[in-house]
Formats: sequence, structure tokens, C-alpha cells
Amino acid sequence: GAGVSQSPSNKVTEKGKDVELRCDPISGHTALYWYRQSLGQGLEFLIYFQGNSAPDKSGLPSDRFSAERTGGSVSTLTIQRTQQEDSAVYLCASSSQGQGAYEQYFGPGTRLTVT
Amino acid sequence: GQNIDQPTEMTATEGAIVQINCTYQTSGFNGLFWYQQHAGEAPTFLSYNVLDGLEEKGRFSSFLSRSKGYSYLLLKELQMKDSASYLCAVELRSNYQLIWGAGTKLIIKP
Repeated sequence: GAGVSQSPSNKVTEKGKDVELRCDPISGHTALYWYRQSLGQGLEFLIYFQGNSAPDKSGLPSDRFSAERTGGSVSTLTIQRTQQEDSAVYLCASSSQGQGAYEQYFGPGTRLTVT
Repeated sequence: GQNIDQPTEMTATEGAIVQINCTYQTSGFNGLFWYQQHAGEAPTFLSYNVLDGLEEKGRFSSFLSRSKGYSYLLLKELQMKDSASYLCAVELRSNYQLIWGAGTKLIIKP
């Protein structure tokens, strides 16, 4: 079946512009995660959606970052007034449950470059 | 707070065995994951340990010691395609979030 997909695969934007990154999770997966990975670094948790519960936004680095998940499926991560330090690969993952040893399936990521 | 440490880089020879260590300090966790990430690709799941001991899965095995705050990933009969980064992640008990190590880049030489 189809895996997690993300778009765009690459995004180059000017400092100060807003960007939207999209994630399509695996059908039926209730949990969805956004991570950020800088070059040579581990994954930095950003936000987590589980079913109809309020999202866990504890990882968002500033109020310029926001995310929503419509209809329990597709998610959009929005970064307003982008800064150069926002340059990274943004990874989305989904899992069949949000807790208890459930494997996370990752999308290919969006490489964001802020110039 | 939580902290996870892994060696930054390791080198091994094709056909050999390599052990990648992961030490962690967390206030409480459910289990520990290992993921593999090839350059420019997304991470893929390798293993999940809840209980102490060794879990074997083909050429890859993962070990956990809760009392020592320590895990390792053992790769046997190394192949060139095993060249990748290996990420250790701890699942927090409080909210099921994963705290990720920075990863160990494994270089396989012929």
C-alpha cells in the first residue's frame, strides 16, 4: 500500500516568507508526527496529533510554527516569516496508534532552504 | 531532563561484526527503538526493546539494560548496504513521545 507522502520534496524560500509543508499519512493511521532534522543531527520533535485529541505542540520552537490536521488525515505544517535557522529537512511520520511501541513510518521529507 | 548519547561515527569492515552503543538518561520510559537512516532518506524501523536482554532479528540484534541505561545494536556479517546512520530513540512513559539520539554514522569498508 501507499506509504507516507510529503510535498514538496524541496522548497527554497526567501527569508521572511511563509511556507506550507504537506503530509499525507498512511490511510487509517491515527497518529501523526512532525520532526525537524538538521544536517548531521538527530530528529527534533515538533508536534504530534493523535485521533481527535488536542495536538501536543510542546516541540514547536516558536510561535512562527503551527500545524493542523484536517479530517484526521492530511496535515500541514506552516512556518511564518521564515528565518535561515529554519533550514532543515522536515519529516512527517505516522503510526497506527499513538502509544505503546507502535512503529513510526516516515515520509521522504521536505528539504527547506531559507536564503 | 532526557539525554541520549551515541558515538558520532564508526567504521567497520565488510563481513565483520559491529556494536553501536546508546546510553540514555530519562525520568521514565516505555521502551527503546533503533532506526536505520540511509543518507538522504527517511528513517526506517529496526527494533523495539521493552524488556532487558537481547532481541535477535536476522543479522541485527538489539540489547537493552534498564538498570544501566544502556542499549546496543549489533550488526553481523556486515554488507556494504549497511552503511547508514543508526538512530536510537527512547519512548517516554509520560506522553509516548520519542526522544532521539543524534545517530551513529556507520561506514563499511571493503
